[in-house]
Amino acid sequence: KAGVTQTPRYLIKTRGQQVTLSCSPISGHRSVSWYQQTPGQGLQFLFEYFSETQRNKGNFPGRFSGRQFSNSRSEMNVSTLELGDSALYLCASSLATTSNTGELFFGEGSRLTVL
Amino acid sequence: DQQVKQNSPSLSVQEGRISILNCDYTNSMFDYFLWYKKYPAEGPTFLISISSIKDKNEDGRFTVFLNKSAKHLSLHIVPSQPGDSAVYFCAVGGATNKLIFGTGTLLAVQP
Repeated sequence: KAGVTQTPRYLIKTRGQQVTLSCSPISGHRSVSWYQQTPGQGLQFLFEYFSETQRNKGNFPGRFSGRQFSNSRSEMNVSTLELGDSALYLCASSLATTSNTGELFFGEGSRLTVL
Repeated sequence: DQQVKQNSPSLSVQEGRISILNCDYTNSMFDYFLWYKKYPAEGPTFLISISSIKDKNEDGRFTVFLNKSAKHLSLHIVPSQPGDSAVYFCAVGGATNKLIFGTGTLLAVQP
C-alpha cells in the first residue's frame, strides 16, 4: 500500500510569490490534514479536509488556503510569501471515521525556503 | 499559548538503559494522547497512543503513561537501542481530527 505522497519535496521561492503544494493520501483515506513544522515550534495545525470540505482550521492567516478533490488528493496554497513561511509542510491522511483515535499517516513533507 | 509542552529539547541515554520522555498539557478535555517519532528527512510516524480512560498502554519496548490529574504524559523505552535515536513528538487530540503537537525531544541513544 503506497504511503502519503507529497510534491514537490523541496522548493525555493522569493518573498511575495505564491506556492502550491500537493498531497496524495493513502488509498481509502478520506481525511487530509496539513501541518507546518518550524524549528522550536513543533508541528502547527493548518487545516483538515474531509470529503472536499474544510472540517477544521488552525490559527494561520488567510494567505494559507487549501482544497481537496473528489479523489481525496489535496493541495495547499500560500500567497504573498513571507520569510517566516520557510518551513517543512507536512500532509497527513487518516480514515477519519466518527471514532477518532488520532493516528495520522504523514508524508515526507515539502521543504519550502523563502528568500 | 503552548497547550502541549515538551520541556526537554534533548535527551541522551546509553544503549540498553531506559529512556523517559515527558510531555505536559494544559487542557483536560483531550480524549487521546499519542507519541510520534521522526527521523531526519522523513515525516513523523505513529508510535503509540493512549485514550483518556486508561493510564497505561504498552507495546513491546514502548510504554505510555497518562497522569490525568497532573496533565502529564510520558513515554518509556526499555531497553533503548541506537535505532531509537530520533525526535519524539507528543500529541493530544479531542473530538475532531486535529492534533496538537509538542515541540519535540531529540533522543540520542549512545552505543
